[in-house]
Amino acid sequence: AQTVTQSQPEMSVQEAETVTLSCTYDTSESDYYLFWYKQPPSRQMILVIRQEAYKQQNATENRFSVNFQKAAKSFSLKISDSQLGDAAMYFCAYRGLNTGTASKLTFGTGTRLQVTL
Amino acid sequence: NAGVMQNPRHLVRRRGQEARLRCSPMKGHSHVYWYRQLPEEGLKFMVYLQKENIIDESGMPKERFSAEFPKEGPSILRIQQVVRGDSAAYFCASSPPGNPAGYTFGSGTRLTVV
Repeated sequence: AQTVTQSQPEMSVQEAETVTLSCTYDTSESDYYLFWYKQPPSRQMILVIRQEAYKQQNATENRFSVNFQKAAKSFSLKISDSQLGDAAMYFCAYRGLNTGTASKLTFGTGTRLQVTL
Repeated sequence: NAGVMQNPRHLVRRRGQEARLRCSPMKGHSHVYWYRQLPEEGLKFMVYLQKENIIDESGMPKERFSAEFPKEGPSILRIQQVVRGDSAAYFCASSPPGNPAGYTFGSGTRLTVV
């Protein structure tokens, strides 16, 4: 079964600084998707960034980028120029492409990010 | 184009009552997924439905929980005889056919059992 591990329950970053959130996963599949979701206090699940495993190039969305290490099964999120609005829970998630795994996202337990002045 | 609509946003039920949670997918999305988020935890998959069909219910508790997605109308997650442990946020997501990465989440329903 696929598992996703986020080993940092809480992180803190100063405004305008850079922070990296860690995520590791375990799977026997060769093709899959990885995601980072942001959950602010409003509870809405907001997709931050997505990575296809077959792509070697790391995904980037404005101030958000990932470091995808397929062999190490690692998928970290880097937030540059942190803003107060980045404060939220961040969840790493996995979605396979095979029957039985393509229909569901497997989430980690989340990292609570605080942004300080 | 409205997003995934869930209602109610908050639901309070006494132990032993029934809870009905509704989810209207995005326009053009025919696949619906339900997830449960316990306090301070990540989301856990419950069930995946297409119109009139349950495709994968591997995450559904065996008793008291059921889900449907009729030909007309929203998808319904039904919890019978609720217990305190059912208190959680329940999220619905939808995706279009043939696009496994095209997930969109609703804002969730927070169920509180008193």
